[in-house]
Amino acid sequence: NAGVTQTPKFQVLKTGQSMTLQCAQDMNHEYMSWYRQDPGMGLRLIHYSVGAGITDQGEVPNGYNVSRSTTEDFPLRLLSAAPSQTSVYFCASSYSGLAGTDTQYFGPGTRLTVL
Amino acid sequence: TQLLEQSPQFLSIQEGENLTVYCNSSSVFSSLQWYRQEPGEGPVLLVTVVTGGEVKKLKRLTFQFGDARKDSSLHITAAQPGDTGLYLCAGAGSARQLTFGSGTQLTVLP
Repeated sequence: NAGVTQTPKFQVLKTGQSMTLQCAQDMNHEYMSWYRQDPGMGLRLIHYSVGAGITDQGEVPNGYNVSRSTTEDFPLRLLSAAPSQTSVYFCASSYSGLAGTDTQYFGPGTRLTVL
Repeated sequence: TQLLEQSPQFLSIQEGENLTVYCNSSSVFSSLQWYRQEPGEGPVLLVTVVTGGEVKKLKRLTFQFGDARKDSSLHITAAQPGDTGLYLCAGAGSARQLTFGSGTQLTVLP
């Protein structure tokens, strides 16, 4: 099993550009989520999905879109990149998504810089 | 929004020393998890504590959940360089959302 994979590992964008961060898992997990990690702020939830076709907003959803067409994939789209979106982005998956009890498996992260 | 505050933010110690990291909140959490993150990687779950007053041990790591389920601590005995990393606590903000603390960056010097 590859677990949770993310691409690209690094990305530099100019303000206003759009891009998609890819995330895939091969553990047949129903729950997938996206976090951003900024210095001194831990991880903050952007969007999450409890199954194919179902998505919901987390703590910091503005400027990001998601969709979940398959169980395996959960891409994160930046519509018009801003310098405030410079961060490290982590995708995670878990079997049921019950926060605080279910094990979250994290990908290796995407380091995004917006100039 | 439920907040989790971790202290200290940074900790640098010598190999063989003991240390404690704290995770505090004004809110009650139904459960709390501790993760460790190494540079360039995602966090990895260490433990989940569910019951107030619960103590769990993982080799040299001891985790405790406060009686009121508002705080937790991580104690490492005889720290080793391999313990170096970012330690994160996380609590269930809602049924589907984890709230993470800001983290404690631990460096164990040989």
